[in-house]
Amino acid sequence: DIQMTQSPSSMSASLGDTVTITCLASQDIGNYLSWYQQKPGKSPKLMIYGATNLEDGVPSRFSGSRSGSDYSLTINSLGYDDEGIYHCHQYYEYPFTFGSGTKLEIK
Amino acid sequence: EVKLVESGGGLVQPGRSLKLSCAASGFSFNDYWMGWVRQAPGKGLEWIGEINQDSSTINYTPSLKDKFTISRDNAQNTLYLQMSKLGSEDTAIYYCARSSIIPFDYWGQGVMVTVSS
Repeated sequence: DIQMTQSPSSMSASLGDTVTITCLASQDIGNYLSWYQQKPGKSPKLMIYGATNLEDGVPSRFSGSRSGSDYSLTINSLGYDDEGIYHCHQYYEYPFTFGSGTKLEIK
Repeated sequence: EVKLVESGGGLVQPGRSLKLSCAASGFSFNDYWMGWVRQAPGKGLEWIGEINQDSSTINYTPSLKDKFTISRDNAQNTLYLQMSKLGSEDTAIYYCARSSIIPFDYWGQGVMVTVSS
């Protein structure tokens, strides 16, 4: 199975900050990588797909990038609404897998 | 509006079976792959599996392949997850989700399954 190593597991940042969350794939997954945001008690929401494509309705403050097997989610100009858990997901090869999640707290 | 509503969860004894349903509306159900994902309390997401439009292809995560069965009824716009030989490790929120070239773009609200005696 493809392992997705996500880091950090948790982080705290201030309003207006820029943060980056990373997932390292254990083997090549091309651009078959998506990012989800999950608020407490809610289902995940798709933010980024194809490593870099912004889902409709997602603010342009969110962006995805790739460098080799490293995939990053960057959030600019942090707001309170960005608090939650972020999950990466590879859909290149079965069984599909998720990263372990990053809990983002806004100070 | 795309809507996915899971049902069938609850408290179940170890070793028993349970069948979850996911009722879809607001889109052409038989045009999409559909999948199941679960989340144990305080844990990350775990991909269970997915089924294609005509049920000819079903993929599972290997550790659950012998316990869980995914099926669908396109006439009823409903996705199912049959779970057997349940253990405490299967206690989780179970989500259904729609998939296409854009993976899991819509999710249901989730249904809780608690395995306990």
